[in-house]
Amino acid sequence: GAVVSQHPSWVICKSGTSVKIECRSLDFQATTMFWYRQFPKQSLMLMATSNEGSKATYEQGVEKDKFLINHASLTLSTLTVTSAHPEDSSFYICSAKNRGLYEQYFGPGTRLTVT
Amino acid sequence: QQQVKQSPQSLIVQKGGIPIINCAYENTAFDYFPWYQQFPGKGPALLIAIRPDVSEKKEGRFTISFNKSAKQFSLHIMDSQPGDSATYFCAASNQAGTALIFGKGTTLSVSS
Repeated sequence: GAVVSQHPSWVICKSGTSVKIECRSLDFQATTMFWYRQFPKQSLMLMATSNEGSKATYEQGVEKDKFLINHASLTLSTLTVTSAHPEDSSFYICSAKNRGLYEQYFGPGTRLTVT
Repeated sequence: QQQVKQSPQSLIVQKGGIPIINCAYENTAFDYFPWYQQFPGKGPALLIAIRPDVSEKKEGRFTISFNKSAKQFSLHIMDSQPGDSATYFCAASNQAGTALIFGKGTTLSVSS
């Protein structure tokens, strides 16, 4: 149980285009989802927290107009990187948890490369 | 106040050894301490977690030791195997709905 999927697993896009990444909880209701960014050989950096049906809460320094997060259902959250630039190239990972529980389960990650 | 300090940064042990990874925290409001294992190119996987009401928890070859007064917790991997070679992250949170605060990670290499 507690499986989280992400799609796509990797994506290459041209500078200036937008990319959407999906995060799904497959066997539980994800009342809260988190989006992280990870650079090579570094720890996970929290970008934003989203609760189902509410606007996402972004961490300081994360541009909310650039990283659009939607959490419209209890099993799906999406991250859209708008007008992507090479510096947005990174490994994006989502995680999900159910209300009242501490356990947080991560997706397999999405490798974004902006050319 | 929100940091979780993890050490060592890297660790090399021989097969069968017992690597120990340590974490320390400052925020006494933290009440959930998980460990995650991450392989290259993959998302972190929840290994084991502990709450402050116990001092030790074992799951298979993985053991968490927790010292509330010292505000420290550690991961022990018994009979380590080459397949345990990965990056390990400790984390902490202070409420069921909040995000985890992660340590910087420890890269473990188990030689055969």
